[in-house]
Amino acid sequence: SQQGEEDPQALSIQEGENATMNCSYKTSINNLQWYRQNSGRGLVHLILIRSNEREKHSGRLRVTLDTSKKSSSLLITASRAADTASYFCATATITQGGSEKLVFGKGTKLTVNP
Amino acid sequence: DAMVIQNPRYQVTQFGKPVTLSCSQTLNHNVMYWYQQKSSQAPKLLFHYYDKDFNNEADTPDNFQSRRPNTSFCFLDIRSPGLGDAAMYLCATSRDPRYNEQFFGPGTRLTVL
Repeated sequence: SQQGEEDPQALSIQEGENATMNCSYKTSINNLQWYRQNSGRGLVHLILIRSNEREKHSGRLRVTLDTSKKSSSLLITASRAADTASYFCATATITQGGSEKLVFGKGTKLTVNP
Repeated sequence: DAMVIQNPRYQVTQFGKPVTLSCSQTLNHNVMYWYQQKSSQAPKLLFHYYDKDFNNEADTPDNFQSRRPNTSFCFLDIRSPGLGDAAMYLCATSRDPRYNEQFFGPGTRLTVL
Protein backbone atom coordinates (compact mmCIF):
# COMPACT_ATOMS: atom_id res chain seq x y z
CA SER A 1 0.00 0.00 0.00
CA GLN A 2 1.23 3.47 -0.80
CA GLN A 3 2.23 5.57 2.17
CA GLY A 4 3.92 8.72 0.90
CA GLU A 5 2.42 11.03 -1.67
CA GLU A 6 4.54 13.67 -3.34
CA ASP A 7 3.36 17.05 -4.42
CA PRO A 8 3.58 18.36 -7.08
CA GLN A 9 3.59 15.44 -9.51
CA ALA A 10 5.66 17.48 -11.94
CA LEU A 11 7.74 20.64 -11.56
CA SER A 12 9.52 22.66 -14.23
CA ILE A 13 11.96 25.43 -13.27
CA GLN A 14 14.87 27.42 -14.69
CA GLU A 15 18.46 26.71 -13.81
CA GLY A 16 19.49 28.60 -10.69
CA GLU A 17 16.02 28.57 -9.15
CA ASN A 18 15.11 26.59 -6.06
CA ALA A 19 12.90 23.50 -6.25
CA THR A 20 10.63 22.41 -3.42
CA MET A 21 8.90 19.04 -3.30
CA ASN A 22 6.52 17.92 -0.60
CA CYS A 23 5.63 14.51 0.78
CA SER A 24 2.69 13.57 2.98
CA TYR A 25 2.19 10.24 4.69
CA LYS A 26 -0.42 8.53 6.83
CA THR A 27 1.07 6.40 9.60
CA SER A 28 3.86 6.64 12.18
CA ILE A 29 7.31 6.26 10.72
CA ASN A 30 10.80 5.29 11.86
CA ASN A 31 12.48 7.59 9.38
CA LEU A 32 11.86 9.19 6.01
CA GLN A 33 14.22 9.01 3.06
CA TRP A 34 14.46 10.83 -0.25
CA TYR A 35 15.70 9.16 -3.42
CA ARG A 36 16.41 10.36 -6.91
CA GLN A 37 15.85 8.38 -10.11
CA ASN A 38 17.11 9.33 -13.54
CA SER A 39 14.96 8.06 -16.39
CA GLY A 40 15.13 4.28 -16.74
CA ARG A 41 17.73 3.89 -14.00
CA GLY A 42 17.93 2.73 -10.40
CA LEU A 43 17.30 4.96 -7.42
CA VAL A 44 20.01 6.90 -5.63
CA HIS A 45 19.72 7.70 -1.94
CA LEU A 46 19.84 11.43 -1.17
CA ILE A 47 19.12 11.89 2.50
CA LEU A 48 17.61 10.16 5.54
CA ILE A 49 15.85 12.02 8.35
CA ARG A 50 14.88 10.25 11.55
CA SER A 51 11.50 10.70 13.18
CA ASN A 52 13.04 12.71 16.03
CA GLU A 53 14.80 15.12 13.67
CA ARG A 54 13.22 18.25 12.20
CA GLU A 55 15.69 19.38 9.59
CA LYS A 56 18.72 18.04 7.77
CA HIS A 57 21.11 19.44 5.19
CA SER A 58 23.35 17.82 2.62
CA GLY A 59 25.09 20.09 0.14
CA ARG A 60 22.34 21.87 -1.85
CA LEU A 61 19.64 19.70 -0.29
CA ARG A 62 17.54 20.63 2.71
CA VAL A 63 14.95 18.26 4.14
CA THR A 64 12.39 19.07 6.79
CA LEU A 65 10.14 16.70 8.69
CA ASP A 66 6.98 17.59 10.60
CA THR A 67 5.69 14.46 12.30
CA SER A 68 2.66 16.29 13.72
CA LYS A 69 1.52 17.09 10.20
CA LYS A 70 2.94 13.85 8.76
CA SER A 71 4.75 15.74 6.07
CA SER A 72 8.24 16.34 4.72
CA SER A 73 9.74 18.67 2.17
CA LEU A 74 12.85 18.49 0.00
CA LEU A 75 14.42 21.75 -1.11
CA ILE A 76 17.06 21.80 -3.84
CA THR A 77 18.78 25.18 -3.97
CA ALA A 78 20.46 26.72 -7.01
CA SER A 79 19.20 23.98 -9.29
CA ARG A 80 21.19 22.70 -12.27
CA ALA A 81 20.12 20.98 -15.47
CA ALA A 82 21.74 17.81 -14.09
CA ASP A 83 19.17 17.80 -11.26
CA THR A 84 16.51 16.82 -13.79
CA ALA A 85 15.12 13.52 -12.46
CA SER A 86 12.25 12.01 -10.51
CA TYR A 87 12.39 12.43 -6.75
CA PHE A 88 10.74 9.95 -4.40
CA CYS A 89 10.07 10.09 -0.72
CA ALA A 90 10.06 6.76 1.12
CA THR A 91 8.69 6.18 4.60
CA ALA A 92 10.34 3.57 6.77
CA THR A 93 8.21 1.54 9.14
CA ILE A 94 9.16 -1.44 11.28
CA THR A 95 7.87 -4.83 10.19
CA GLN A 96 6.81 -7.67 12.49
CA GLY A 97 10.20 -9.25 11.96
CA GLY A 98 11.92 -6.15 13.30
CA SER A 99 13.45 -4.91 10.06
CA GLU A 100 12.54 -1.74 8.23
CA LYS A 101 10.31 -1.57 5.22
CA LEU A 102 10.35 1.36 2.78
CA VAL A 103 7.15 2.44 1.11
CA PHE A 104 7.71 4.82 -1.79
CA GLY A 105 5.48 7.58 -3.05
CA LYS A 106 4.75 8.10 -6.76
CA GLY A 107 7.42 10.75 -7.07
CA THR A 108 7.84 14.29 -8.36
CA LYS A 109 9.23 14.67 -11.85
CA LEU A 110 11.59 17.67 -11.82
CA THR A 111 12.74 19.34 -15.02
CA VAL A 112 15.43 22.02 -14.78
CA ASN A 113 15.69 24.04 -17.96
CA PRO A 114 19.12 25.46 -18.93
CA ASP B 1 33.91 0.35 -6.88
CA ALA B 2 31.48 -1.40 -4.55
CA MET B 3 28.16 -1.71 -6.24
CA VAL B 4 24.90 -3.52 -6.97
CA ILE B 5 24.80 -5.26 -10.35
CA GLN B 6 21.74 -6.53 -12.13
CA ASN B 7 21.70 -8.87 -15.09
CA PRO B 8 20.40 -8.70 -17.65
CA ARG B 9 19.49 -5.03 -18.04
CA TYR B 10 16.76 -5.93 -20.50
CA GLN B 11 14.87 -9.23 -20.55
CA VAL B 12 12.21 -10.32 -23.00
CA THR B 13 10.17 -13.41 -22.25
CA GLN B 14 7.03 -15.03 -23.53
CA PHE B 15 3.75 -15.23 -21.70
CA GLY B 16 3.99 -18.14 -19.26
CA LYS B 17 7.70 -18.85 -19.82
CA PRO B 18 9.68 -18.83 -16.56
CA VAL B 19 12.31 -16.17 -16.21
CA THR B 20 15.07 -15.48 -13.68
CA LEU B 21 16.58 -12.09 -12.93
CA SER B 22 19.82 -11.86 -11.03
CA CYS B 23 21.37 -9.39 -8.64
CA SER B 24 24.84 -9.36 -7.16
CA GLN B 25 26.51 -7.01 -4.72
CA THR B 26 30.06 -6.25 -3.72
CA LEU B 27 29.03 -4.21 -0.68
CA ASN B 28 28.82 -7.23 1.65
CA HIS B 29 25.45 -5.96 2.87
CA ASN B 30 23.22 -8.12 5.02
CA VAL B 31 19.91 -7.17 3.45
CA MET B 32 18.82 -7.56 -0.16
CA TYR B 33 15.50 -6.33 -1.56
CA TRP B 34 13.51 -6.82 -4.75
CA TYR B 35 11.15 -4.08 -5.95
CA GLN B 36 8.78 -3.95 -8.90
CA GLN B 37 8.29 -0.58 -10.58
CA LYS B 38 5.72 -0.11 -13.31
CA SER B 39 5.78 2.89 -15.61
CA SER B 40 5.34 6.21 -13.77
CA GLN B 41 4.58 4.39 -10.52
CA ALA B 42 6.28 4.02 -7.17
CA PRO B 43 8.68 1.13 -6.59
CA LYS B 44 6.80 -1.61 -4.75
CA LEU B 45 8.58 -3.99 -2.40
CA LEU B 46 8.11 -7.66 -3.33
CA PHE B 47 10.29 -9.28 -0.66
CA HIS B 48 13.62 -9.03 1.10
CA TYR B 49 16.27 -11.20 2.68
CA TYR B 50 17.90 -10.34 5.99
CA ASP B 51 20.89 -12.67 5.80
CA LYS B 52 19.18 -15.98 5.01
CA ASP B 53 15.80 -15.02 6.43
CA PHE B 54 13.23 -14.52 3.70
CA ASN B 55 10.52 -11.89 4.24
CA ASN B 56 7.66 -11.90 1.79
CA GLU B 57 5.23 -9.02 1.39
CA ALA B 58 1.62 -10.08 2.00
CA ASP B 59 0.45 -8.88 -1.41
CA THR B 60 3.28 -10.37 -3.48
CA PRO B 61 1.79 -12.92 -5.89
CA ASP B 62 2.85 -16.56 -5.51
CA ASN B 63 4.15 -16.32 -9.06
CA PHE B 64 7.17 -14.46 -7.68
CA GLN B 65 9.86 -16.37 -5.82
CA SER B 66 13.35 -15.52 -4.66
CA ARG B 67 16.59 -17.27 -3.78
CA ARG B 68 19.67 -16.06 -1.98
CA PRO B 69 22.33 -18.76 -2.24
CA ASN B 70 25.00 -16.60 -0.58
CA THR B 71 25.60 -13.06 0.69
CA SER B 72 26.51 -11.70 -2.72
CA PHE B 73 23.74 -13.05 -4.94
CA CYS B 74 19.98 -12.88 -4.99
CA PHE B 75 17.62 -14.11 -7.71
CA LEU B 76 14.07 -13.24 -8.65
CA ASP B 77 12.14 -16.07 -10.31
CA ILE B 78 8.88 -15.40 -12.10
CA ARG B 79 7.32 -18.80 -12.63
CA SER B 80 4.66 -17.94 -15.21
CA PRO B 81 4.97 -14.32 -16.35
CA GLY B 82 1.80 -12.57 -17.37
CA LEU B 83 1.44 -9.37 -19.38
CA GLY B 84 0.86 -7.51 -16.13
CA ASP B 85 4.31 -8.50 -14.87
CA ALA B 86 6.04 -6.31 -17.44
CA ALA B 87 7.92 -3.77 -15.36
CA MET B 88 11.32 -2.59 -14.14
CA TYR B 89 12.66 -4.86 -11.41
CA LEU B 90 15.00 -3.18 -8.97
CA CYS B 91 17.37 -4.90 -6.60
CA ALA B 92 18.62 -3.01 -3.55
CA THR B 93 20.85 -3.69 -0.57
CA SER B 94 21.37 -2.20 2.85
CA ARG B 95 23.98 -2.89 5.49
CA ASP B 96 21.49 -3.36 8.28
CA PRO B 97 17.73 -3.55 8.34
CA ARG B 98 17.25 -0.25 10.21
CA TYR B 99 18.20 3.38 9.71
CA ASN B 100 20.12 2.57 6.62
CA GLU B 101 20.02 3.89 3.15
CA GLN B 102 19.36 1.42 0.41
CA PHE B 103 21.71 1.03 -2.54
CA PHE B 104 19.96 0.25 -5.80
CA GLY B 105 21.10 -1.53 -8.90
CA PRO B 106 20.30 -0.12 -12.36
CA GLY B 107 17.29 -2.39 -12.75
CA THR B 108 16.15 -5.03 -15.23
CA ARG B 109 13.38 -4.03 -17.60
CA LEU B 110 11.18 -7.06 -18.27
CA THR B 111 9.02 -7.28 -21.38
CA VAL B 112 6.42 -10.04 -21.66
CA LEU B 113 5.22 -10.90 -25.17
